[in-house]
Amino acid sequence: DTGVSQDPRHKITKRGQNVTFRCDPISEHNRLYWYRQTLGQGPEFLTYFQNEAQLEKSRLLSDRFSAERPKGSFSTLEIQRTEQGDSAMYLCASSLVRGVADTQYFGPGTRLTVL
Amino acid sequence: KQEVTQIPAALSVPEGENLVLNCSFTDSAIYNLQWFRQDPGKGLTSLLLIQSSQREQTSGRLNASLDKSSGRSTLYIAASQPGDSATYLCAVLRAGNNRKLIWGLGTSLAVNP
Repeated sequence: DTGVSQDPRHKITKRGQNVTFRCDPISEHNRLYWYRQTLGQGPEFLTYFQNEAQLEKSRLLSDRFSAERPKGSFSTLEIQRTEQGDSAMYLCASSLVRGVADTQYFGPGTRLTVL
Repeated sequence: KQEVTQIPAALSVPEGENLVLNCSFTDSAIYNLQWFRQDPGKGLTSLLLIQSSQREQTSGRLNASLDKSSGRSTLYIAASQPGDSATYLCAVLRAGNNRKLIWGLGTSLAVNP
């Protein structure tokens, strides 16, 4: 396993369409995180999973956003009825939490452009 | 509430200079601090991770220090090269159960040949 992968790498969509992104974490990593980064800003936390359980959601995650990690492995992030303000880089990270040790490894990101 | 600040926001230097990027954070309750590099339109590359019990980490021309009590970290880049041009982001891992990374806005570095 060479690292965290994300698909697609780029997505262009029209306003109002639904999009779904996938993240495959490093094998056996028990935590998976989603972040969003807009131009000129640092990444912002969206949500994270411990195995298949979604433990925290940011207030940034409106009801149009939903994330799943059905079997505690890969995760999907869906955005319904996309808006131009959703245009951003969506970053996924995974980690294996052992006590205080917790290093998050990032995927290459999915760049979303909403026209 | 944890806040991370990076200074300067942008930096332009001639090739060969040694430089220092600064990161400060308001809450010392952290597990670790990481420095990342991001090229335009690309994802994040982890450069150095310093555990809260450590003082510094080194990788090649990069050296990162951590002073948890004062809430500061520095990234030192020796003998800068044009290929070092990128945005450098600092992130702290908040202590506690919900271990999300809190990020600075980054320092945009341009190394001119």
